[in-house]
Amino acid sequence: AQSVTQLGSHVSVSEGALVLLRCNYSSSVPPYLFWYVQYPNQGLQLLLKYTTGATLVKGINGFEAEFKKSETSFHLTKPSAHMSDAAEYFCAVTPSGGSNYKLTFGKGTLLTVNP
Amino acid sequence: GAGVSQSPSNKVTEKGKDVELRCDPISGHTALYWYRQSLGQGLEFLIYFQGNSAPDKSGLPSDRFSAERTGGSVSTLTIQRTQQEDSAVYLCASSLWGVDIQYFGAGTRLSVL
Repeated sequence: AQSVTQLGSHVSVSEGALVLLRCNYSSSVPPYLFWYVQYPNQGLQLLLKYTTGATLVKGINGFEAEFKKSETSFHLTKPSAHMSDAAEYFCAVTPSGGSNYKLTFGKGTLLTVNP
Repeated sequence: GAGVSQSPSNKVTEKGKDVELRCDPISGHTALYWYRQSLGQGLEFLIYFQGNSAPDKSGLPSDRFSAERTGGSVSTLTIQRTQQEDSAVYLCASSLWGVDIQYFGAGTRLSVL
Protein backbone atom coordinates (compact mmCIF):
# COMPACT_ATOMS: atom_id res chain seq x y z
CA ALA A 1 0.00 0.00 0.00
CA GLN A 2 1.11 3.50 -0.73
CA SER A 3 1.30 6.34 1.74
CA VAL A 4 2.28 9.99 1.67
CA THR A 5 3.80 12.00 4.50
CA GLN A 6 3.89 15.76 4.49
CA LEU A 7 6.21 17.12 7.15
CA GLY A 8 4.70 20.15 8.81
CA SER A 9 0.98 20.71 8.84
CA HIS A 10 1.58 24.46 8.91
CA VAL A 11 4.43 26.44 7.32
CA SER A 12 4.80 30.18 7.69
CA VAL A 13 7.11 32.29 5.52
CA SER A 14 7.66 35.96 4.85
CA GLU A 15 6.77 37.47 1.51
CA GLY A 16 9.78 37.10 -0.79
CA ALA A 17 11.25 34.18 1.16
CA LEU A 18 11.86 30.67 -0.11
CA VAL A 19 8.96 28.26 0.13
CA LEU A 20 9.81 24.62 0.88
CA LEU A 21 7.04 22.09 1.47
CA ARG A 22 8.17 18.56 2.18
CA CYS A 23 6.67 15.34 0.86
CA ASN A 24 7.86 11.76 1.29
CA TYR A 25 6.15 8.70 -0.08
CA SER A 26 6.16 5.03 0.69
CA SER A 27 5.66 2.67 -2.21
CA SER A 28 7.12 -0.63 -3.38
CA VAL A 29 7.74 0.90 -6.82
CA PRO A 30 8.15 4.57 -7.69
CA PRO A 31 4.67 6.02 -8.13
CA TYR A 32 3.40 8.96 -10.08
CA LEU A 33 3.63 12.10 -7.94
CA PHE A 34 1.51 15.23 -7.78
CA TRP A 35 1.19 18.50 -5.92
CA TYR A 36 -2.24 20.12 -5.62
CA VAL A 37 -3.19 23.48 -4.11
CA GLN A 38 -6.51 24.30 -2.45
CA TYR A 39 -7.64 27.86 -1.85
CA PRO A 40 -10.40 28.47 0.71
CA ASN A 41 -13.80 27.13 -0.37
CA GLN A 42 -12.40 25.92 -3.66
CA GLY A 43 -11.53 22.56 -5.15
CA LEU A 44 -8.03 21.25 -5.68
CA GLN A 45 -5.94 22.62 -8.53
CA LEU A 46 -2.98 20.72 -9.98
CA LEU A 47 0.34 22.53 -9.55
CA LEU A 48 2.62 19.96 -11.16
CA LYS A 49 3.13 16.25 -11.65
CA TYR A 50 5.92 13.75 -12.19
CA THR A 51 5.42 10.53 -14.11
CA THR A 52 8.64 9.74 -15.97
CA GLY A 53 11.62 11.58 -17.43
CA ALA A 54 13.27 14.68 -16.00
CA THR A 55 13.17 14.57 -12.23
CA LEU A 56 12.91 18.35 -11.82
CA VAL A 57 9.36 19.34 -12.68
CA LYS A 58 8.18 22.90 -13.18
CA GLY A 59 4.59 23.83 -12.51
CA ILE A 60 2.29 26.79 -12.46
CA ASN A 61 2.76 29.96 -10.40
CA GLY A 62 6.55 29.53 -10.23
CA PHE A 63 6.50 26.29 -8.26
CA GLU A 64 8.76 23.34 -8.95
CA ALA A 65 9.46 19.96 -7.39
CA GLU A 66 12.24 17.42 -7.64
CA PHE A 67 11.72 13.67 -7.56
CA LYS A 68 14.50 11.98 -5.57
CA LYS A 69 14.10 8.22 -5.74
CA SER A 70 16.90 7.53 -3.25
CA GLU A 71 15.19 9.73 -0.67
CA THR A 72 11.60 8.80 -1.70
CA SER A 73 10.88 12.51 -1.71
CA PHE A 74 9.06 15.04 -3.87
CA HIS A 75 9.52 18.38 -2.13
CA LEU A 76 7.82 21.50 -3.49
CA THR A 77 9.72 24.78 -3.73
CA LYS A 78 9.27 28.34 -4.87
CA PRO A 79 12.13 30.87 -4.72
CA SER A 80 10.06 33.84 -3.62
CA ALA A 81 6.71 33.65 -1.84
CA HIS A 82 3.81 35.91 -2.77
CA MET A 83 0.84 36.74 -0.58
CA SER A 84 -1.35 34.97 -3.15
CA ASP A 85 0.47 31.68 -2.44
CA ALA A 86 -1.29 31.36 0.92
CA ALA A 87 -3.32 28.17 0.64
CA GLU A 88 -3.26 24.50 1.58
CA TYR A 89 -0.95 22.24 -0.41
CA PHE A 90 -1.41 18.52 -0.88
CA CYS A 91 1.12 15.99 -2.12
CA ALA A 92 -0.43 12.92 -3.76
CA VAL A 93 0.61 9.70 -5.46
CA THR A 94 -0.93 7.13 -7.74
CA PRO A 95 0.51 3.73 -8.59
CA SER A 96 2.55 3.74 -11.78
CA GLY A 97 0.91 0.44 -12.71
CA GLY A 98 -2.65 -0.76 -12.27
CA SER A 99 -5.29 1.42 -10.58
CA ASN A 100 -3.15 4.44 -11.43
CA TYR A 101 -6.19 6.68 -11.28
CA LYS A 102 -6.57 6.42 -7.50
CA LEU A 103 -4.93 9.38 -5.77
CA THR A 104 -3.56 8.88 -2.27
CA PHE A 105 -3.09 12.23 -0.56
CA GLY A 106 -0.94 13.48 2.26
CA LYS A 107 -2.61 15.32 5.16
CA GLY A 108 -1.80 18.69 3.65
CA THR A 109 0.38 21.67 4.58
CA LEU A 110 -1.19 25.05 5.24
CA LEU A 111 1.08 27.80 3.92
CA THR A 112 0.85 31.22 5.48
CA VAL A 113 2.66 34.16 3.88
CA ASN A 114 3.41 37.12 6.12
CA PRO A 115 3.86 40.64 4.75
CA GLY B 1 -15.11 26.29 -20.52
CA ALA B 2 -17.11 25.17 -17.52
CA GLY B 3 -15.35 23.22 -14.83
CA VAL B 4 -16.64 20.46 -12.58
CA SER B 5 -19.85 21.59 -10.94
CA GLN B 6 -21.15 20.23 -7.64
CA SER B 7 -24.44 20.85 -5.92
CA PRO B 8 -25.46 21.77 -3.36
CA SER B 9 -22.43 23.66 -2.11
CA ASN B 10 -23.62 23.17 1.47
CA LYS B 11 -25.98 20.62 2.95
CA VAL B 12 -27.15 20.41 6.52
CA THR B 13 -29.11 17.34 7.48
CA GLU B 14 -30.29 15.49 10.54
CA LYS B 15 -28.80 12.21 11.67
CA GLY B 16 -30.62 9.32 10.05
CA LYS B 17 -31.75 11.19 6.93
CA ASP B 18 -30.66 10.30 3.40
CA VAL B 19 -28.77 12.81 1.25
CA GLU B 20 -27.89 13.05 -2.42
CA LEU B 21 -24.91 14.97 -3.74
CA ARG B 22 -24.62 15.81 -7.41
CA CYS B 23 -21.63 16.17 -9.71
CA ASP B 24 -21.56 17.51 -13.27
CA PRO B 25 -18.19 16.67 -14.80
CA ILE B 26 -16.43 18.60 -17.52
CA SER B 27 -18.06 17.86 -20.86
CA GLY B 28 -16.30 15.05 -22.70
CA HIS B 29 -14.53 13.65 -19.66
CA THR B 30 -14.99 9.91 -19.47
CA ALA B 31 -13.62 9.39 -15.96
CA LEU B 32 -15.29 10.62 -12.77
CA TYR B 33 -14.12 10.32 -9.17
CA TRP B 34 -15.52 11.02 -5.72
CA TYR B 35 -13.30 11.87 -2.76
CA ARG B 36 -14.07 12.78 0.84
CA GLN B 37 -12.17 15.44 2.77
CA SER B 38 -12.54 15.33 6.54
CA LEU B 39 -10.57 16.74 9.44
CA GLY B 40 -9.72 13.36 10.87
CA GLN B 41 -8.97 11.36 7.72
CA GLY B 42 -7.77 13.96 5.22
CA LEU B 43 -8.58 13.32 1.56
CA GLU B 44 -9.83 9.82 0.78
CA PHE B 45 -10.74 8.16 -2.49
CA LEU B 46 -14.32 6.88 -2.57
CA ILE B 47 -15.28 5.68 -6.04
CA TYR B 48 -14.19 5.83 -9.69
CA PHE B 49 -16.23 5.61 -12.89
CA GLN B 50 -14.66 5.09 -16.31
CA GLY B 51 -16.94 5.01 -19.32
CA ASN B 52 -19.17 1.94 -19.29
CA SER B 53 -16.84 -0.13 -17.13
CA ALA B 54 -17.85 -1.37 -13.71
CA PRO B 55 -16.99 1.31 -11.14
CA ASP B 56 -14.18 0.89 -8.62
CA LYS B 57 -16.08 1.14 -5.33
CA SER B 58 -13.17 0.09 -3.14
CA GLY B 59 -13.07 3.37 -1.20
CA LEU B 60 -16.70 3.50 -0.09
CA PRO B 61 -16.61 3.36 3.73
CA SER B 62 -19.85 1.44 4.28
CA ASP B 63 -22.88 0.07 2.48
CA ARG B 64 -24.74 3.25 3.39
CA PHE B 65 -22.75 4.93 0.61
CA SER B 66 -23.58 4.41 -3.05
CA ALA B 67 -23.03 6.28 -6.29
CA GLU B 68 -24.28 6.11 -9.81
CA ARG B 69 -23.39 7.79 -13.05
CA THR B 70 -26.16 8.22 -15.56
CA GLY B 71 -25.50 8.42 -19.29
CA GLY B 72 -21.78 8.59 -18.70
CA SER B 73 -22.08 12.14 -17.42
CA VAL B 74 -23.78 13.33 -14.23
CA SER B 75 -23.08 11.42 -11.04
CA THR B 76 -24.97 11.23 -7.75
CA LEU B 77 -23.44 10.16 -4.46
CA THR B 78 -26.07 8.94 -2.01
CA ILE B 79 -25.56 8.53 1.71
CA GLN B 80 -28.33 6.68 3.52
CA ARG B 81 -29.10 7.01 7.21
CA THR B 82 -26.46 9.70 7.68
CA GLN B 83 -24.27 9.66 10.78
CA GLN B 84 -22.33 12.50 12.36
CA GLU B 85 -19.06 10.96 11.19
CA ASP B 86 -20.25 11.47 7.61
CA SER B 87 -19.78 15.22 8.06
CA ALA B 88 -17.10 16.22 5.56
CA VAL B 89 -16.51 17.93 2.24
CA TYR B 90 -17.29 15.64 -0.67
CA LEU B 91 -15.21 16.42 -3.74
CA CYS B 92 -15.87 15.29 -7.27
CA ALA B 93 -13.26 15.21 -10.02
CA SER B 94 -13.23 14.31 -13.68
CA SER B 95 -10.58 13.58 -16.28
CA LEU B 96 -10.45 12.89 -19.99
CA TRP B 97 -9.62 9.29 -19.23
CA GLY B 98 -8.58 7.32 -16.23
CA VAL B 99 -4.93 8.27 -16.04
CA ASP B 100 -5.17 11.88 -17.05
CA ILE B 101 -5.10 14.98 -14.86
CA GLN B 102 -8.03 15.12 -12.46
CA TYR B 103 -9.97 18.39 -12.31
CA PHE B 104 -11.80 18.99 -9.06
CA GLY B 105 -15.04 20.72 -8.24
CA ALA B 106 -15.43 23.04 -5.25
CA GLY B 107 -17.10 20.31 -3.22
CA THR B 108 -20.25 19.86 -1.15
CA ARG B 109 -19.86 20.54 2.55
CA LEU B 110 -22.09 18.08 4.41
CA SER B 111 -22.97 18.71 8.03
CA VAL B 112 -24.89 16.02 9.91
CA LEU B 113 -26.48 17.29 13.12
